[in-house]
Amino acid sequence: DAEITQSPRHKITETGRQVTLACHQTWNHNNMFWYRQDLGHGLRLIHYSYGVQDTNKGEVSDGYSVSRSNTEDLPLTLESAASSQTSVYFCASSDPGLADTDTQYFGPGTRLTVL
Amino acid sequence: KQEVTQIPAALSVPEGENLVLNCSFTDSAIYNLQWFRQDPGKGLTSLLLIQSSQREQTSGRLNASLDKSSGRSTLYIAASQPGDSATYLCAVPYQGGSEKLVFGKGTKLTVNP
Repeated sequence: DAEITQSPRHKITETGRQVTLACHQTWNHNNMFWYRQDLGHGLRLIHYSYGVQDTNKGEVSDGYSVSRSNTEDLPLTLESAASSQTSVYFCASSDPGLADTDTQYFGPGTRLTVL
Repeated sequence: KQEVTQIPAALSVPEGENLVLNCSFTDSAIYNLQWFRQDPGKGLTSLLLIQSSQREQTSGRLNASLDKSSGRSTLYIAASQPGDSATYLCAVPYQGGSEKLVFGKGTKLTVNP
């Protein structure tokens, strides 16, 4: 079955380190999104991509970057991790060309702790 | 800027009760509205998607309605069960037909046996 996976599921890192969170989907969806979820803020959009070589900034993009070299993957990089980036990160994908247009499918999340 | 509000933030009901979760949004020019379910420690699962041309959508014991003019949606859960305990989130596009979503903070539902 098609799915969307994230790795690692849990990560502890130190302030200042570079961290990359992986997202892989097997639906062949064009659209991919990264969100962070924090108590009191809900889900907020970090970056998104509408296809290969396309990347866009979301609501809370400072300190994060993404790249899209193929359809299946959208890795999220924290250039220099900060304690404020401790959060749960979710990747999602969608494809408006499908019958259930606009439905977003979410990965299981990565819990990141920055010490 | 689109904003989504969900009331109440938490709800506890006895098993078997019918209940309504509320979602309101500030910009009524939306293309669709989605309801999601999130179990603790898990990702989000899409429950229902209502297109702007529709008034409601049903899936089993779930019924979602959409009133664009008033900026409101409700999720009705019939004959609630302990397995319905989860956080329910609604989401609308940032603007118009955008695929980017703005989420409410969710309603945490507890159904007590």
